[in-house]
Amino acid sequence: DAKTTQPNSMESNEEEPVHLPCNHSTISGTDYIHWYRQLPSQGPEYVIHGLTSNVNNRMASLAIAEDRKSSTLILHRATLRDAAVYYCILRPLSVGGGSQGNLIFGKGTKLSVKP
Amino acid sequence: GAGVSQSPSNKVTEKGKDVELRCDPISGHTALYWYRQRLGQGLEFLIYFQGNSAPDKSGLPSDRFSAERTGESVSTLTIQRTQQEDSAVYLCASSLDRDSYEQYFGPGTRLTVT
Repeated sequence: DAKTTQPNSMESNEEEPVHLPCNHSTISGTDYIHWYRQLPSQGPEYVIHGLTSNVNNRMASLAIAEDRKSSTLILHRATLRDAAVYYCILRPLSVGGGSQGNLIFGKGTKLSVKP
Repeated sequence: GAGVSQSPSNKVTEKGKDVELRCDPISGHTALYWYRQRLGQGLEFLIYFQGNSAPDKSGLPSDRFSAERTGESVSTLTIQRTQQEDSAVYLCASSLDRDSYEQYFGPGTRLTVT
């Protein structure tokens, strides 16, 4: 399985943008890039995913490098509630057109948000 | 609607005892996953159920671990003869089907083996 590399921790100020990087130099052409986050004492929650093009949703934006060897999760205005561990995960494309199988979690990036 | 629920939320057991952890997935979700998270670590995959297909047990760490799922509903993870290294948070997730992008996680069961 292709692996991801993320910084152990990052800090941000409230109401400022946050850019969380992820390196995945061994990504295959059929791997989706997924991001999950885990708030303290909770199970992980889905944030966003993409394949080649940049993606936006109500929670965040995902910027994917042209060679797909890296990506960046962007929180446009960090709030205290965004303090969590953020996981960048690669999932293979399934025959049915979606992602498949279990998620392989690394250690993620622990984001701290200062008021 | 209701999310994934797990019970108990906390379980303390003595070394050598058996424990059962329960997961109620979101109604209609055919895929169900179990993960384990040791203190300060990322999640480790344990087992995966998809509909009536044979489960993917490739993540189970030893034969003391087993899991069952009745149809597309409740799942039970059983750990026999618990050891201290089994202490962790056990998380269950479900998704609409195998091809779904998003997994929905429950709050987890914190297991402490003394």
